[in-house]
Parts: sequence; structure tokens; C-alpha cells
Amino acid sequence: DAKTTQPNSMESNEEEPVHLPCNHSTISGTDYIHWYRQLPSQGPEYVIHGLTSNVNNRMASLAIAEDRKSSTLILHRATLRDAAVYYCILRDVYNYGQNFVFGPGTRLSVLP
Amino acid sequence: NAGVTQTPKFQVLKTGQSMTLQCAQDMNHEYMSWYRQDPGMGLRLIHYSVGAGITDQGEVPNGYNVSRSTTEDFPLRLLSAAPSQTSVYFCASRRGRANYGYTFGSGTRLTVV
Repeated sequence: DAKTTQPNSMESNEEEPVHLPCNHSTISGTDYIHWYRQLPSQGPEYVIHGLTSNVNNRMASLAIAEDRKSSTLILHRATLRDAAVYYCILRDVYNYGQNFVFGPGTRLSVLP
Repeated sequence: NAGVTQTPKFQVLKTGQSMTLQCAQDMNHEYMSWYRQDPGMGLRLIHYSVGAGITDQGEVPNGYNVSRSTTEDFPLRLLSAAPSQTSVYFCASRRGRANYGYTFGSGTRLTVV
């Protein structure tokens, strides 16, 4: 399985944009990039995913590098509720049984 | 929709006791899995199932059993609880295709004394 590398922690001020990086230099052409987050004392929740093009939804944006070896999750205006651990995960679209591998993720702190 | 429902939310066991953690989903998802999360760590896969009647081991299967008799239910059995199994357990489900995301339950916090 292709691996991802994320910073252990990041800090942001409330109402400012946050850019959470993820490196995946060994990504294959059929790997989707998924992002999840885990709020304190809760299960992980889906944030966004993409393959090649940048993606937007109501929660966040996903910017994918042209060579696909890195991606960035963008929270446009951080709120206190966005304080969580963010996980970047790769999934092979043709591997039906492949499991998600959750690394340690990035712990985002949001300062008021 | 209820999504993924886990019961109980909290449980304390004595060493050597057995118990079953329940997981049910109402989304007709083919794929279900169990993860454990120890303090300050990411999630580790225990067992998973790609459909009714089919299960397989994940990264840390020892001490746990699973079965999948229906699409909806995926219980996790602790055979003889040990303090090393003190953890938070999450059940998750998704559709079969890899570009679908997981839906997670709210977790079961288990303490083995």
C-alpha cells in the first residue's frame, strides 16, 4: 500500500484559512486520496476525496498536485469546531477489499 | 437513517471475561470493519468483512472473533479479555467500491481490569 506522510501537528487562528499538507510520493495512478477527520471523543468522519482534479464540498477543498505526489486539504475559515485529527489516506479504486490504513494524522489546534 | 450504531458505548470487563461488541448499519453497505484506537495513536484494523458470510483478519486480529451472518450486523467478540485490549473500538461500513468513503460508529470505550 502506498503510504502518506503528514505533519504531526498544526496550529491555526480562528476564522483564518488552514492548509493541511499530505505527501504521497509512491501514489499509483488508481489511488484515490481520501481525507477524514476525528473530533475529540468521536469516530472519524469523511471530509473529502479526489483522484486528479481539485475538489470542493461544503466542508473543505482538496488541492491535488499535478504529479499527484502531494495534496493539501484546505479549510477556508477555521472554526473552533475544526480542531481535530486529520487523516490523509490512499485507496486503490480497483482493489475492492482494500482497507483504509489510518496513520497518526495531523492534530489541528484552532486558537480563538 | 441511523447510520452505524455501536453498543454498548462504555464497558468495563474483568480479565478473562468474554463479551460481544455490537455493530449494525442500515445503509445496505457491503463492507464492514472493526478498528481499535489506543491513546494518542491512529486506528488499527482488527477484522473486516466484504459481505455476508465473508470475513478476514486485519492488522491486529489476535484475541478477537467476528462473524457476518447478515449484511446489517457485524459483531466483534472478545474471547478472554486482557488488559492489553483496553481501547476504544470503532465499527465502520462503506459501499464496496474503493472511491466510496467510510461511515463510522461513535465507538465503544472498553476497559479491562
